[in-house]
Amino acid sequence: DTAVSQTPKYLVTQMGNDKSIKCEQNLGHDTMYWYKQDSKKFLKIMFSYNNKELIINETVPNRFSPKSPDKAHLNLHINSLELGDSAVYFCASSPSQLPTIGQFFGPGTRLTVL
Amino acid sequence: AQSVTQLGSHVSVSEGALVLLRCNYSSSVPPYLFWYVQYPNQGLQLLLKYTTGATLVKGINGFEAEFKKSETSFHLTKPSAHMSDAAEYFCAVTPARAGNMLTFGGGTRLMVKP
Repeated sequence: DTAVSQTPKYLVTQMGNDKSIKCEQNLGHDTMYWYKQDSKKFLKIMFSYNNKELIINETVPNRFSPKSPDKAHLNLHINSLELGDSAVYFCASSPSQLPTIGQFFGPGTRLTVL
Repeated sequence: AQSVTQLGSHVSVSEGALVLLRCNYSSSVPPYLFWYVQYPNQGLQLLLKYTTGATLVKGINGFEAEFKKSETSFHLTKPSAHMSDAAEYFCAVTPARAGNMLTFGGGTRLMVKP
């Protein structure tokens, strides 16, 4: 019954590799997000998709490419991983017509780049 | 543009003592305000929110917050801390009626001493 799920939960990889993180929500929301949480717990929005279309793209290196195959899924692909990419990545979702609801978060993916 | 400031990156209280976590926001339009809690190695969970109406809002686990427009504040309180309250707490703001784009504060780590 998990509302927002992410896989994998942990990801350890070498510099220069390419990796993907998957996110799925079963809440019927039409908007999904990716956040990066750094080692100091600071949360920063990376991307937002509404109905499979990109609506927010903050200052993120173009090595990061989100893909939304449908409204319920938003994946994050990262090319040429760097040490500074090590962080916890959170997926979230919300219904655009109900801004009072807030956002629902997944459990996070801890990425460690060696 | 919106911004959120959480005073005190770390707050320590004794079990049974009052919890007060401070949040001040800046918003050019009426805001919706949220408090999220993050337990270790978990995602963010919505604690409570203010959208419209009563300025004192109650959330889960005995927490409440009061929206004070004149002070641009939304401080989080709990009368009596419990060991299980130890977590990271995030205040967030979004412009009312303008979508779900959340801006987060830097977070406050609450520690509860026995």
